[in-house]
Amino acid sequence: DAKTTQPPSMDCAEGRAANLPCNHSTISGNEYVYWYRQIHSQGPQYIIHGLKNNETNEMASLIITEDRKSSTLILPHATLRDTAVYYCIVRVSSNTGKLIFGQGTTLQVKP
Amino acid sequence: DAGVIQSPRHEVTEMGQEVTLRCKPISGHDYLFWYRQTMMRGLELLIYFNNNVPIDDSGMPEDRFSAKMPNASFSTLKIQPSEPRDSAVYFCASSSGVQPQHFGDGTRLSIL
Repeated sequence: DAKTTQPPSMDCAEGRAANLPCNHSTISGNEYVYWYRQIHSQGPQYIIHGLKNNETNEMASLIITEDRKSSTLILPHATLRDTAVYYCIVRVSSNTGKLIFGQGTTLQVKP
Repeated sequence: DAGVIQSPRHEVTEMGQEVTLRCKPISGHDYLFWYRQTMMRGLELLIYFNNNVPIDDSGMPEDRFSAKMPNASFSTLKIQPSEPRDSAVYFCASSSGVQPQHFGDGTRLSIL
């Protein structure tokens, strides 16, 4: 599975959009981009995933560049409850094995 | 719907004691994963099962660690004998086929 690079921390004002970047320059054609987050003292929570098209669900939007070497997770209206560590993971969808978690981005949403 | 259920939520025990962590996956899920999280190493996969059969245990740190899945609704992770360096948060996750994994809230283990 390809390696990902994320900034260690970011701040965002409550009510504003939070844009979390992820670089995955060695991604292969059959690898998906997954995003999870971990709120303090809880288990990781699945947010969204995509292959090459932009994706949106009730939690967030995922924008993947045309060359697929980077992506951005967008939380459209961040709340204090979105404060968490956000992990970007790249893997082949048919690989039902391990998720390789990096250090992630600690997002602090401030009032 | 009930999520992945882990017990106990917290465990404090003395070095050398046997520790058993328990997990109930989401009903209908055919994959079960055990992860460990520490400050130094982050989140790492220990072992995973498919249809109750262990598939990859390459992440199990030592022979002191063992995991079983006697049926589709229950799994255990056992440490015997426990050591202080085993202190960590242990997570169980389950999934259905290629769908995303769902995690429990973990067991915080402290070995004194």
